[in-house]
Amino acid sequence: QLQLQESGPGLVKPSETLSLTCTVSGGSISRSSYYWGWIRQPPGKGLEWIGSIYYSGSTHYNPSLKSRVTISVDTSKNQFSLKVSSVTAADTAVYYCARQTPGNDAFDIWGQGTMVTVSS
Amino acid sequence: QSVLTQPPSVSGAPGQRVTISCTGSSSNIGAGSDVHWYQQLPGAAPKLLIYGNSNRPSGVPDRVSGSKSGTSASLAITGLQAEDEANYYCQSYDSSLSGVVFGGGTKLTVL
Repeated sequence: QLQLQESGPGLVKPSETLSLTCTVSGGSISRSSYYWGWIRQPPGKGLEWIGSIYYSGSTHYNPSLKSRVTISVDTSKNQFSLKVSSVTAADTAVYYCARQTPGNDAFDIWGQGTMVTVSS
Repeated sequence: QSVLTQPPSVSGAPGQRVTISCTGSSSNIGAGSDVHWYQQLPGAAPKLLIYGNSNRPSGVPDRVSGSKSGTSASLAITGLQAEDEANYYCQSYDSSLSGVVFGGGTKLTVL
């Protein structure tokens, strides 16, 4: 059964770069037509799509975050990663990675999420 | 301000039927983009509840249904149970923004 697991620092200083990795187990990240996405949720608030990547490296980003976000994939490790630069307190959130189904963009399998706090 | 508009809260007694609306525009739902629904229990990751407007993933009971018309979509839950108390989110694709958009979420309270 496919599983996703986020990992990375839980605390990041303002103006620095937030870096997270999503490890996919139970299936290959490159043997399918799926996109792989990042979604975040600030405390007590709703969901916000950050961006998605295909195993080939093709990416799509939320226009509101595009200037600060980079998503990359490492098929040899079956992982994809997120970097958000110049973070502020507004980037404090639970960050989820998820599999995105081809053709309709639904996120059908999610990681458990990881809390990232931006604070000095 | 979310691109997709949902009511902040809905409620119903056990056994009743509730609906949650998701209102979009001509650049997302009205443009033919599929609508998906997620259930998020407290402290948990979202779970896909409905995909492609009205399809249920394996394991989702048939008392949960989705529909879409024009620039809006709806999620209906019949035979309300205490375990349905959660936050619900709709999701679609917006062609003007060239990306995925979510509704602001609706908290369902079972009275």
